[in-house]
Amino acid sequence: DQQVKQNSPSLSVQEGRISILNCDYTNSMFDYFLWYKKYPAEGPTFLISISSIKDKNEDGRFTVFLNKSAKHLSLHIVPSQPGDSAVYFCAASVSHNTDKLIFGTGTRLQVFP
Amino acid sequence: GAVVSQHPSRVICKSGTSVKIECRSLDFQATTMFWYRQFPKKSLMLMATSNEGSKATYEQGVEKDKFLINHASLTLSTLTVTSAHPEDSSFYICSATISYGYTFGSGTRLTVV
Repeated sequence: DQQVKQNSPSLSVQEGRISILNCDYTNSMFDYFLWYKKYPAEGPTFLISISSIKDKNEDGRFTVFLNKSAKHLSLHIVPSQPGDSAVYFCAASVSHNTDKLIFGTGTRLQVFP
Repeated sequence: GAVVSQHPSRVICKSGTSVKIECRSLDFQATTMFWYRQFPKKSLMLMATSNEGSKATYEQGVEKDKFLINHASLTLSTLTVTSAHPEDSSFYICSATISYGYTFGSGTRLTVV
């Protein structure tokens, strides 16, 4: 039972354009959502998070949008840079920093010049 | 701050032997540690949650007798893969909760031959 899904396994974007990564979840108890960037054979690197009481959070080039009614969140990266090329995971928890994180299936982003 | 040191980074072992993976919190006390495994090009799947001084809670489908988790102190949690088989080959990552979210180890690539 995959509670957190990323339906696009890969995404290719030109440098300077916007990258939009999507994530859907099924558990309505989730109230905290995070995005991570990951390279092979390394631990995930935290990018940005959002609490369920918000619908948007922005940090530099990264913005996360949350649509609770649709159980959907997205990560926008603008402008995209070649260094952004990696696998991106969304993750969700029932309680901020006390409960286990459930990870999505991942989206491989490739930013080309 | 909030660094989790995970060792070894990679290990190759023979079938039937046991392998221990350590995660140490270097500058904070990790009351709770999560253990994940990741198969190639797959998501990070939660294996178990360990709390200092108590037995670990395993996710459904994870064999507790095969994946022994010990969290005897606030700075050390270990995962021992007992009687390892080739199908146990995977990338194992630990994670600890911190005040502002979660911090991850750098992962261990286990190859069983």
